[in-house]
This record gives sequence, C-alpha cells and structure tokens, in this order.
Amino acid sequence: AQSVTQLGSHVSVSEGALVLLRCNYSSSVPPYLFWYVQYPNQGLQLLLKYTSAATLVKGINGFEAEFKKSETSFHLTKPSAHMSDAAEYFCAIKAAGNKLTFGGGTRVLVKP
Amino acid sequence: KAGVTQTPRYLIKTRGQQVTLSCSPISGHRSVSWYQQTPGQGLQFLFEYFSETQRNKGNFPGRFSGRQFSNSRSEMNVSTLELGDSALYLCASSSKVDWGTEAFFGQGTRLTVV
Repeated sequence: AQSVTQLGSHVSVSEGALVLLRCNYSSSVPPYLFWYVQYPNQGLQLLLKYTSAATLVKGINGFEAEFKKSETSFHLTKPSAHMSDAAEYFCAIKAAGNKLTFGGGTRVLVKP
Repeated sequence: KAGVTQTPRYLIKTRGQQVTLSCSPISGHRSVSWYQQTPGQGLQFLFEYFSETQRNKGNFPGRFSGRQFSNSRSEMNVSTLELGDSALYLCASSSKVDWGTEAFFGQGTRLTVV
C-alpha cells in the first residue's frame, strides 16, 4: 500500500528565508506524488506533481520539489518565503485510480 | 473554465439527521472523489466515481454513501449523523482515471453536527 509521511506538523520561517517541507513516501510501484496547499477555510490547490518525467519539478508560486528514489523523498522547497506562503501544505501519493493518500500536513508560519 | 463547485458551503445539522452534499465537477471531468478532513484524522478518502460507477471506496461506515449522475455531478449522503461526522468535506474532480492525472478540489462543505 502507498503512504506518505510529512515530517514536522508546524514549520516557522522568517520572511525571505528558505522554506523546506519534508515528505517521505512508501510505495510498491513507481509513485505519482503531489503537493497541495490549503489556505484557511479553502479547498486544496495543486502546487506541483511528480509523474516520472523529471526528478526536479517546478510548481506555482516559486515552489519546487525534488524526487529522490534512493531516499524515498519528495521534499518541497521555496528559496525565499513570502508572507502569503502562510498556509498548510499536504504531500499526497496516488494509491489507486484517482484515490489520493495524504500526509498529515505541515502548517507554515511566516514571521516578518 | 469554472472550478469545482460544492454546495452548500456551510451546514449545521442535529445528531440523527441525514445530510446531502453536492459537487459539480469541472466541465468535461468525469471523475469525482470525496474526502473528509478533520483535525484528528486529517484528510481521508471516502469514495471515487467515474461515469456513474463507484470505483473505489474508503474505510467508512455504510452511513456514508454517494452517487454520480449522468452529467458527472455527484452527491454524498450521510445518514444518522454523529457528532464525529463534523468535518470539512472536500470534492475533487479529474479529467480521467490515470495515475498521473491531478485532482482539482472544491472549497468544501463545512458540516457541523450538534
């Protein structure tokens, strides 16, 4: 069965600093991985997805993620945090069909 | 193109009642999935429909059911509501059933059971 684990339920960064959100996966088949962001009282917005075409994936709002098979990781980064990046971020893996299995989420706080 | 539309946005129900939530997918999308989001359990998959057929079902009791219509719109129903059913219910639509296809989410329906 496919699963993802997000390390750190809360992350605090200063504005302008690097944002690094960790996601490790477990999968018996080549994984398809996604990062979503959720703002308060909103649904989920897709940031980026990995579908085996390239290991470094660029997404919206300056985010990118690198797929590392040897480490079973798909960490999300952004070089310079902005106040508008304050939100909750979810890593997800396709489990079957269109079923997504999500990690527990990481809430990002951006300090001025 | 309009996004995924969920109605209503907010709902308050009493224990023992039943509730129906509605989801209109992005035009042309034939796959609809439902998720429950709670602070304690996080995001959990409920079920997935494609072309009016349920393809996958999560680990929820039979009180949770759903259906999809010929126009791809979907409804989910929860009968005999319990306090623990209070959650944000999210609907997602996809253009096809494919491992690499992304899901687009609606804004959710916030259900409060009192």
